[in-house]
Amino acid sequence: AQSVTQLGSHVSVSEGALVLLRCNYSSSVPPYLFWYVQYPNQGLQLLLKYTSAATLVKGINDFEAEFKKSETSFHLTKPSAHMSDAAEYFCAVRGSNTGKLIFGQGTTLQVKP
Amino acid sequence: DAGVIQSPRHEVTEMGQEVTLRCKPISGHDYLFWYRQTMMRGLELLIYFNNNVPIDDSGMPEDRFSAKMPNASFSTLKIQPSEPRDSAVYFCASSFRGETGELFFGEGSRLTVL
Repeated sequence: AQSVTQLGSHVSVSEGALVLLRCNYSSSVPPYLFWYVQYPNQGLQLLLKYTSAATLVKGINDFEAEFKKSETSFHLTKPSAHMSDAAEYFCAVRGSNTGKLIFGQGTTLQVKP
Repeated sequence: DAGVIQSPRHEVTEMGQEVTLRCKPISGHDYLFWYRQTMMRGLELLIYFNNNVPIDDSGMPEDRFSAKMPNASFSTLKIQPSEPRDSAVYFCASSFRGETGELFFGEGSRLTVL
């Protein structure tokens, strides 16, 4: 079975500071990993995904994530936070041979001016 | 493409009433998912279909919930009878190319049961 744990339900950073959102996964098979963002009153949008092609994945809006098998982690980073990055971020895992996408509990990112 | 289309966007109903939520996936997608989002439980997968066939409904809370996909372009999630604890945002999502394909989400249906 697959699962994800997001460390920290709320993260607050200053505008221009580094963003780091943590995600650890559990999977008995090679996982496919995703980061989604949700703005208020909207659906989820894909930021980036890992599908075993490269361990460092670049996404939209300068976000990137690194797959570390030894640490079972897939942390999301952005070098410089912008006010428009304030939203809820979800890490998700999908095992091979299954259609199920399992989400973590989400991390709310607050960006202070 | 118009994306995943859900209706209604908002529904307010009274306990005991039947609720039907609708979803039109992106054309050509072969997977369709229904999720429920609440503050307490986060995003929960209720059921998903592959090529219109239900594959896993283990997340459906109880018999009051049912989902159908009569064709590749339409799905419904029905709650009968509804209860206040069903109040949530219900999302439909679709994807293509199996497990590596990203899910595209609709904007959700916000259900309030009084």
